[in-house]
Amino acid sequence: KNEVEQSPQNLTAQEGEFITINCSYSVGISALHWLQQHPGGGIVSLFMLSSGKKKHGRLIATINIQEKHSSLHITASHPRDSAVYICAPRPGSQGNLIFGKGTKLSVKP
Amino acid sequence: NAGVTQTPKFQVLKTGQSMTLQCAQDMNHEYMSWYRQDPGMGLRLIHYSVGAGITDQGEVPNGYNVSRSTTEDFPLRLLSAAPSQTSVYFCASSYSWGGQPQHFGDGTRLSIL
Repeated sequence: KNEVEQSPQNLTAQEGEFITINCSYSVGISALHWLQQHPGGGIVSLFMLSSGKKKHGRLIATINIQEKHSSLHITASHPRDSAVYICAPRPGSQGNLIFGKGTKLSVKP
Repeated sequence: NAGVTQTPKFQVLKTGQSMTLQCAQDMNHEYMSWYRQDPGMGLRLIHYSVGAGITDQGEVPNGYNVSRSTTEDFPLRLLSAAPSQTSVYFCASSYSWGGQPQHFGDGTRLSIL
């Protein structure tokens, strides 16, 4: 069973485009993480949010707890944004993260 | 601070061999975890620990063993390596079990022949 669904699986964009990556989940959660995995393999945490919206530079993350949906937006995309973006909800208040399969983003100059 | 340090970065084993993947963090984090990442699949939790002396199984624990004798270290042991354990392994830590961002190591790429 897939408790976390990300779309699209793959995304190619031109530099400067606005990017949206979607995440839907089927369980009740207390928070949701967005992670970035670089082509070299390293994983970094971008956002952790439990309601509303968070912004960091050109990245914006939103979540709708009632609809069990989150989005990650990238404004003015750049080739250095090329990476795999992973959605990871946390079921319950002290649960382990569950992970989506990731969205592979490639931004062309 | 070094963050989360994993060693080795690469390893090739023969079927049946045993080995230990090392993970250390210097952030005084209580929560540590091991994941494996396979093509076409999300990260899957192998084992986790919510503090020194406390470990528990995750989604895919079979064939792996862990211990947490100190806050800093959380080694993962492969008892008898099998080709199905070929994967990329990530260690992660966070300040507490709930509500905190996780810090990931750089990963260990393991091949079992």
